[in-house]
Amino acid sequence: DGGITQSPKYLFRKEGQNVTLSCEQNLNHDAMYWYRQDPGQGLRLIYYSQIVNDFQKGDIAEGYSVSREKKESFPLTVTSAQKNPTAFYLCASSIDFRGPDSYNEQFFGPGTRLTVL
Amino acid sequence: DQQVKQNSPSLSVQEGRISILNCDYTNSMFDYFLWYKKYPAEGPTFLISISSIKDKNEDGRFTVFLNKSAKHLSLHIVPSQPGDSAVYFCAASAIGGATNKLIFGTGTLLAVQP
Repeated sequence: DGGITQSPKYLFRKEGQNVTLSCEQNLNHDAMYWYRQDPGQGLRLIYYSQIVNDFQKGDIAEGYSVSREKKESFPLTVTSAQKNPTAFYLCASSIDFRGPDSYNEQFFGPGTRLTVL
Repeated sequence: DQQVKQNSPSLSVQEGRISILNCDYTNSMFDYFLWYKKYPAEGPTFLISISSIKDKNEDGRFTVFLNKSAKHLSLHIVPSQPGDSAVYFCAASAIGGATNKLIFGTGTLLAVQP
């Protein structure tokens, strides 16, 4: 059955190390997104990709990098430049196109909780 | 600058009563609004949406109301059930782009007491 998978569910990293979070979808969606959630805050957009080999910075892209080599995959790398990387990371996907009176909702994966030790 | 605001961080309601979750926005370019429900350590799931050309959308126990002049929307859950206990996020999308970018509020934790 179709869906979005994120792995691992829990991840621990030593300060100063880069780490890559996986996101895979088999929904045949064009667009994919990465968000982070912190306690008491909403979901904030890190990066998004509308199509393979293209991606755009979101609101809090500093210290992160992404790639979109395949339609199904959108991995996120949290680099050592990210000052406060401990958070819950959510990946989402959607049919990209939206009409003037319609919207195609984003479907979310189960998330990865990253803790920096 | 928070473009989508949920000013109540939490709400407690008795089972069987109505739950009303509120959301305010500042960007007049927002034209589509969604509510997501989220359990701890899980991804959000889509609940209900409304276009700015409507003022009400209903789906079973869930109804969303939109007041464009006040830049306010609300989610009504009737009757509330213990399984509705979760964090509810309001989100908005702006016209003018081909992307599905969403701006999320900070969420309201709903607790439905048996």
